[in-house]
Amino acid sequence: GAGVSQSPSNKVTEKGKDVELRCDPISGHTALYWYRQSLGQGLEFLIYFQGNSAPDKSGLPSDRFSAERTGGSVSTLTIQRTQQEDSAVYLCASSLALIAGGPYEQYFGPGTRLTVT
Amino acid sequence: EDQVTQSPEALRLQEGESSSLNCSYTVSGLRGLFWYRQDPGKGPEFLFTLYSAGEEKEKERLKATLTKKESFLHITAPKPEDSATYLCAVPSGSRLTFGEGTQLTVNP
Repeated sequence: GAGVSQSPSNKVTEKGKDVELRCDPISGHTALYWYRQSLGQGLEFLIYFQGNSAPDKSGLPSDRFSAERTGGSVSTLTIQRTQQEDSAVYLCASSLALIAGGPYEQYFGPGTRLTVT
Repeated sequence: EDQVTQSPEALRLQEGESSSLNCSYTVSGLRGLFWYRQDPGKGPEFLFTLYSAGEEKEKERLKATLTKKESFLHITAPKPEDSATYLCAVPSGSRLTFGEGTQLTVNP
């Protein structure tokens, strides 16, 4: 079946501009995650959505970052007033709902490479 | 705070030369450990989930094992197509905490 898709695959923007990154999760997956991967660094958690529950935003690095998930499916990550340090690969993942007794594996999309000039 | 440390950072093998990658973790209560493979320019690809010490999982030339302090990814008779970065991760609440990965290169 179809995996997680993300768009655009690459985005080059000027410092100070806003950008929107899109994620389409696997059908039937109610949990959706955003991570950031900077050059030479590990994956950094940004935000988590689960169904209609309030999202876990604890990983967002500043108030310039926000995300929404519409209709329990597609998600958009927005970065306002981009800075050079925002340059990274932004990865989206989805999974079945977390349940007590064991987490489910997360399936990742191909990522969006963001370059801020 | 949960922590995951992977070693070595990079590993070069000759085709057919078996070896192991290490993932050490410190967590408040282990609820599982995940292994992923990441190719350049792509997102991580799920390989295995291990839930309890003593558990083992196998897939082709890869075998993952888990103890109370660490996990190993054993690669038997690797091929050049096994070249990738291998990541391990533990669940921390709703997120995964990842190690920084081992970059494996298998030369023909």
